[in-house]
Amino acid sequence: DTGVSQDPRHKITKRGQNVTFRCDPISEHNRLYWYRQTLGQGPEFLTYFQNEAQLEKSRLLSDRFSAERPKGSFSTLEIQRTEQGDSAMYLCASSLSGTSGYEQYFGPGTRLTVT
Amino acid sequence: GNSVTQMEGPVTLSEEAFLTINCTYTATGYPSLFWYVQYPGEGLQLLLKATKADDKGSNKGFEATYRKETTSFHLEKGSVQVSDSAVYFCALSGNTGANSKLTFGKGITLSVRP
Repeated sequence: DTGVSQDPRHKITKRGQNVTFRCDPISEHNRLYWYRQTLGQGPEFLTYFQNEAQLEKSRLLSDRFSAERPKGSFSTLEIQRTEQGDSAMYLCASSLSGTSGYEQYFGPGTRLTVT
Repeated sequence: GNSVTQMEGPVTLSEEAFLTINCTYTATGYPSLFWYVQYPGEGLQLLLKATKADDKGSNKGFEATYRKETTSFHLEKGSVQVSDSAVYFCALSGNTGANSKLTFGKGITLSVRP
């Protein structure tokens, strides 16, 4: 399977704990995106990388959120001091710059539940 | 900023009925337009796209035409099947690297009954 993969698929944590999610993009894709999706809504952009450089961060990404892509391959998204409002599906997508329309391919998502 | 508006749902149709799902957008410049689909228990999949005005995207019997004059990208299918039951999202992105993030509509749930 050469699609985008995410780990874990589900995470239940207590409020105040830290969590980290991993995304492995399609191997030749140099762009990687993180989105958040809540029930009944479309995904909302959080941040994106071109290679290892983080080029844009949404205002949705509070100081408790940090993302890295250290070698330009996989990425991690960490949430510190989780709050109940962080409960959502976290989606990762990748694309190849220079392709027409910058179409993005999505992973299955990590569903976070904060209790 | 960019935004996408989809018609309110959910939509329930009988098999072989004609489908239209409306989508309008607000954007600066000349965005690319997409329809993504999310089948039950699965991730988002790209259904079709159009990158410039008057382009028609098509896939799996679905079609959508990029209408710049009406800022619309309505999704149509002539004869839906039960297997088309899913959530459909309209989305746009800029056409430069710095503006490549996707902006999504809220999505609409389609249920097709036999």
